[in-house]
Amino acid sequence: RKEVEQDPGPFNVPEGATVAFNCTYSNSASQSFFWYRQDCRKEPKLLMSVYSSGNEDGRFTAQLNRASQYISLLIRDSKLSDSATYLCVVNEVTGGGNKLTFGTGTQLKVEL
Amino acid sequence: GAVVSQHPSRVICKSGTSVKIECRSLDFQATTMFWYRQFPKQSLMLMATSNEGSKATYEQGVEKDKFLINHASLTLSTLTVTSAHPEDSSFYICSARDMVITSGGNEQFFGPGTRLTVL
Repeated sequence: RKEVEQDPGPFNVPEGATVAFNCTYSNSASQSFFWYRQDCRKEPKLLMSVYSSGNEDGRFTAQLNRASQYISLLIRDSKLSDSATYLCVVNEVTGGGNKLTFGTGTQLKVEL
Repeated sequence: GAVVSQHPSRVICKSGTSVKIECRSLDFQATTMFWYRQFPKQSLMLMATSNEGSKATYEQGVEKDKFLINHASLTLSTLTVTSAHPEDSSFYICSARDMVITSGGNEQFFGPGTRLTVL
């Protein structure tokens, strides 16, 4: 079983739509959680951290369910510029320090 | 702030040659840098964790003699792919963590990546 699992998509949605991505992780000892955005052939960029209480940043809402080991990202009012791959990322504390484990990403295509 | 650069951005080399990739934190000091590899349509895979002034910690399955890492200063880490072969062709990305930033120290700042093609 992969440590961080995501539906690879692609999700093709019209502009203005609401879209949700899900992610599950296998290590119950994971400490912190993030959503990153990666554009084609570019490095990943931090979109937002994910907290147990849920958090919102503009059109983006992230949720964490530790009991189910499940993370979600909701994007409202999709823009063309939201087209990218969204990476679910889990931070674990290991003997060597903090380690980020990346999901394979969910591809989003927002269309006119 | 928190900018990480990588050089070169793209390299094409012949099989059997060695390639060095540099990762620099431009406006902060990074005691820890990370090296990742990403194959097409796959996730970023951590190769090794590089700590300034000490030996790198390699992930399982990553050959330390093939992927040489040097972290000689607080702003520079290098990855050398020795005797590169076509299967080493990939997108190599470094990241750096600034322990001074009061964000909890967890955020990693990524370099723009180096695309290696071995012919």
